[in-house]
Amino acid sequence: RKEVEQDPGPFNVPEGATVAFNCTYSNSASQSFFWYRQDCRKEPKLLMSVYSSGNEDGRFTAQLNRASQYISLLIRDSKLSDSATYLCVVTTDSWGKFQFGAGTQVVVTP
Amino acid sequence: DAGITQSPRYKITETGRQVTLMCHQTWSHSYMFWYRQDLGHGLRLIYYSAAADITDKGEVPDGYVVSRSKTENFPLTLESATRSQTSVYFCASRPLGNYGYTFGSGTRLTVV
Repeated sequence: RKEVEQDPGPFNVPEGATVAFNCTYSNSASQSFFWYRQDCRKEPKLLMSVYSSGNEDGRFTAQLNRASQYISLLIRDSKLSDSATYLCVVTTDSWGKFQFGAGTQVVVTP
Repeated sequence: DAGITQSPRYKITETGRQVTLMCHQTWSHSYMFWYRQDLGHGLRLIYYSAAADITDKGEVPDGYVVSRSKTENFPLTLESATRSQTSVYFCASRPLGNYGYTFGSGTRLTVV
């Protein structure tokens, strides 16, 4: 079983709609969680950290469910520019090495 | 310029040659990492470093060598390039604490 699993998608979303997707992790000792965004094989860029209480950044909301071992990302009012691959990231050790999910592709259509 | 830079951006090399990919960061981040990204595999950790002169293997270290004599530099060397090492290579850094990585813009390496 992979340490971090994501639905690869694609999630085809009409512009203005809401899309949500999850990421599951296998190590219950995981410490930190992040969402990254990657465009067309460019470098991944940090979208947001995920805190235990959940957090919001504009149209993006991230949630952590430690009991079920998943994190989620919700995008409201989707824009064409939100089309990208979203990478789930989990750290499990003191070195802070990231375990990356394979990514969820989101395609926002006009 | 502040940030993390990788060079070269693109590289074509022949099988068996040694090639070094450079990574330089200006923040004095403690941690630095090398990943490769291939279709079907996502990002895989090659090597990482917690400080100057402290390095350790990641998930796919075979065929690669790293060094970190200075905090700001973390070069990755392919000792004898093989076609299976054709990939996009990303360097990343992060400071101490609960912070995300910042990635360089990547090196696209083709081994022919």
